[in-house]
Amino acid sequence: QKEVEQDPGPLSVPEGAIVSLNCTYSNSAFQYFMWYRQYSRKGPELLMYTYSSGNKEDGRFTAQVDKSSKYISLFIRDSQPSDSATYLCAMSDRNYGQNFVFGPGTRLSVLP
Amino acid sequence: DTGVSQDPRHKITKRGQNVTFRCDPISEHNRLYWYRQTLGQGPEFLTYFQNEAQLEKSRLLSDRFSAERPKGSFSTLEIQRTEQGDSAMYLCASILDGGVGEQYFGPGTRLTVT
Repeated sequence: QKEVEQDPGPLSVPEGAIVSLNCTYSNSAFQYFMWYRQYSRKGPELLMYTYSSGNKEDGRFTAQVDKSSKYISLFIRDSQPSDSATYLCAMSDRNYGQNFVFGPGTRLSVLP
Repeated sequence: DTGVSQDPRHKITKRGQNVTFRCDPISEHNRLYWYRQTLGQGPEFLTYFQNEAQLEKSRLLSDRFSAERPKGSFSTLEIQRTEQGDSAMYLCASILDGGVGEQYFGPGTRLTVT
């Protein structure tokens, strides 16, 4: 079992739809959870960062963490064609700075 | 623009040649990471610096790979005797000391070994 699992997609949705992206993980030591967006042939761009369990909202994006289930989600409201990209979840443990683990990414296409 | 820059953006080399990549982190960030990313995968950790000290290396980093960060500013990643399996995107990221999740990535260097 990989440490972080993520459905690779591709996921295609119509413009304006609510998108749900998810990751599961196995290491209960993970405390910090991030979502990155990566456009083709570009470096990842940090979207959201949360600590421990709970929700965090930033504009059209909401990140949720459920540590009891080892499950994190990113919701995108009113999705736009410009949201078409690969979304990577990433996690790190209490020894911050020394263990960032990424999921394989979910490829999202938002169709106009 | 995240502020992390990498050079070159693309590198094509023949098998057996040596290559060197450079990363310039955000100026106030004292922690710097190197990752490798292959198609359809997330970035894989290679190594990590705090200031000029290399604190951790992944087992992915064979003896052919070496990284430096002289004076705790820019960093270089060198691959000696390149192999076709080294073809990948090499990403650099930096983070402020005391920060935890807020890594900022550069645009990457895409290496193709022919």
